Amino acid sequence: DIQMTQSPSSLSASVGDSVTITCRASQTITGLLHWYQQSPGRAPKLIIYGASNLQSGVSSRFSGDGSGTEFTLKITSLQPEDFAAYYCQQTYTIPYTFGQGTRLEIK
Amino acid sequence: QMQLVQSGPEVRKPGTSVKVSCKASGAIFASTSVQWVRQARGQPLEWIGWIIVGGAKTSYAQQFQGRVTITRDMSTSTVYMEVTGLRSDDTAVYYCAAHSSGYYRASDYWGQGTLVTVSS
Repeated sequence: DIQMTQSPSSLSASVGDSVTITCRASQTITGLLHWYQQSPGRAPKLIIYGASNLQSGVSSRFSGDGSGTEFTLKITSLQPEDFAAYYCQQTYTIPYTFGQGTRLEIK
Repeated sequence: QMQLVQSGPEVRKPGTSVKVSCKASGAIFASTSVQWVRQARGQPLEWIGWIIVGGAKTSYAQQFQGRVTITRDMSTSTVYMEVTGLRSDDTAVYYCAAHSSGYYRASDYWGQGTLVTVSS
């Protein structure tokens, strides 16, 4: 199985800050890496697909980059609704594993 | 566009089974695949398996092989996930999710989640 490792596991920031979350795969997954946002008690929401493509309806403050084994999610000008958990997932090979998540908290 | 509506919460005793449903609405059901993901309280998302709806082909994560079965009913646009031999550590919210892109397979449609509680 491909292991997905996210860092950091938690992050504190203030409204207006910018943050970057990293996701590393244990082997190449080309660009088949996706990012999800999950607010407490809610289903995950797709925000970035194919490493760098912004999902329709998602704020342009979110951006993704990377290929192969290393990927990043950047959020600029943090808004209150951005404080949530973020997960990466690879769909290169089954099982389609997730990272362990990054919890973004308000400082 | 697609909407996924899951069945309601379930409580089961250890050793029993549960079957959760995920009903889809929208034109792309037959051309998509549906994955099942679970999340125990305070824990990360865990991929269980998926079904390619059109051909009914399934794949499962190793730890669920033999204990989970995913099926679909084209006549009702519903996907089912059955878990047998339930244990207390199967207590979790179970989500179904579907994609609109056959290439990326990123899940842009999610059910609301079904809480399955396993307790004696």
